[in-house]
Amino acid sequence: DAKTTQPTSMDCAEGRAANLPCNHSTISGNEYVYWYRQIHSQGPQYIIHGLKNNETNEMASLIITEDRKSSTLILPHATLRDTAVYYCIVTGTSYGKLTFGQGTILTVHP
Amino acid sequence: NAGVTQTPKFQVLKTGQSMTLQCAQDMNHNSMYWYRQDPGMGLRLIYYSASEGTTDKGEVPNGYNVSRLNKREFSLRLESAAPSQTSVYFCASRKTGTMNTEAFFGQGTRLTVV
Repeated sequence: DAKTTQPTSMDCAEGRAANLPCNHSTISGNEYVYWYRQIHSQGPQYIIHGLKNNETNEMASLIITEDRKSSTLILPHATLRDTAVYYCIVTGTSYGKLTFGQGTILTVHP
Repeated sequence: NAGVTQTPKFQVLKTGQSMTLQCAQDMNHNSMYWYRQDPGMGLRLIYYSASEGTTDKGEVPNGYNVSRLNKREFSLRLESAAPSQTSVYFCASRKTGTMNTEAFFGQGTRLTVV
């Protein structure tokens, strides 16, 4: 799996958009970008994933650069409940390995 | 659907004792994973199984063994527990192969070795 780099921590005001960056410069053509988050000590929760096109679901949007070397997770209207550790992961389809990095601690404040 | 179920949720062991952490999924996923998470750290992969009958080492396999009993179940065994194995253990599963799907995680087993 390609290695990812994320900022250690970020802050966001409640109601504003939270933009979480991730660098994955060694990504291969068949690898997807996944985002998960972990609230307190619960099991990680899937947010969104994409290959090369931008993606949107009810939780977030994922913007992947044209060269696919970086991506941004966007939480359009952050709430206090979005305070969590956010993990960006790159993984392929044909093998099972799924490796987490340190993630970004997002703190949403009132 | 129950998703991914881990047992037990909490466990205290004495140094040198053995135990098996159980994990079962009901989503017909082929890949299953065991992670550990130490305080303030990210998840580290211990072992994974890409399909029934196969297992592979992750980042931190020492001191652990695994068994992919069938497609549903993937167990993690500590043969001789050490205080350094005090951690929260997460099991996960996902479908891999021609389709790319997200991983589903259990709620964790909080293990303390004294």
